[in-house]
Amino acid sequence: GNSVTQMEGPVTLSEEAFLTINCTYTATGYPSLFWYVQYPGEGLQLLLKATKADDKGSNKGFEATYRKETTSFHLEKGSVQVSDSAVYFCALSEPPGGTSYGKLTFGQGTILTVHP
Amino acid sequence: DADVTQTPRNRITKTGKRIMLECSQTKGHDRMYWYRQDPGLGLRLIYYSFDVKDINKGEISDGYSVSRQAQAKFSLSLESAIPNQTALYFCATSDFHRDSETQYFGPGTRLLVL
Repeated sequence: GNSVTQMEGPVTLSEEAFLTINCTYTATGYPSLFWYVQYPGEGLQLLLKATKADDKGSNKGFEATYRKETTSFHLEKGSVQVSDSAVYFCALSEPPGGTSYGKLTFGQGTILTVHP
Repeated sequence: DADVTQTPRNRITKTGKRIMLECSQTKGHDRMYWYRQDPGLGLRLIYYSFDVKDINKGEISDGYSVSRQAQAKFSLSLESAIPNQTALYFCATSDFHRDSETQYFGPGTRLLVL
């Protein structure tokens, strides 16, 4: 079955540092890939997505590129802020055409803490 | 007002009790989902419903049941709660006709089973 693996956390950075959170996946077909973010005390919200190989998703200074050859979707940000402290989840969606289209499979989540 | 609401937000119960967690949405979405979140395990799908008459088991449905009372309401029941069902539970929705891949989450229900 499909699976998503994220780098081990937690990640602790100083403000303005560069962020990378690794994500790799195993899937049949060509899934869409997502990063969701969960701020303290809240539900998850979509951060960015990419639907096909070589697509780059971006939002709020975060970026991730769909790399089919390495089955990866690493999240990056050039300069993190204290307000970026949250849990980040990589996920994939069942591809179109199947009966489960739209179901998401999540990674285990990576806790990010940014200090001033 | 929030588009996806969950009640209660926090619940403490005892082993063997039956409890129900409720989810309501005002987004008009056809699809609804229940997940549980455990530290280090991410989110795991319990049940999902693609419309009022379509309910499907997820990867960890044992010990849970659901009811889709209307397009806007999707309830999760623990028939006989046990301590390892202590977790954070999320409801989510999506719209098949516009963007079936993006899910919108409620704020979560924190459940403690003693």
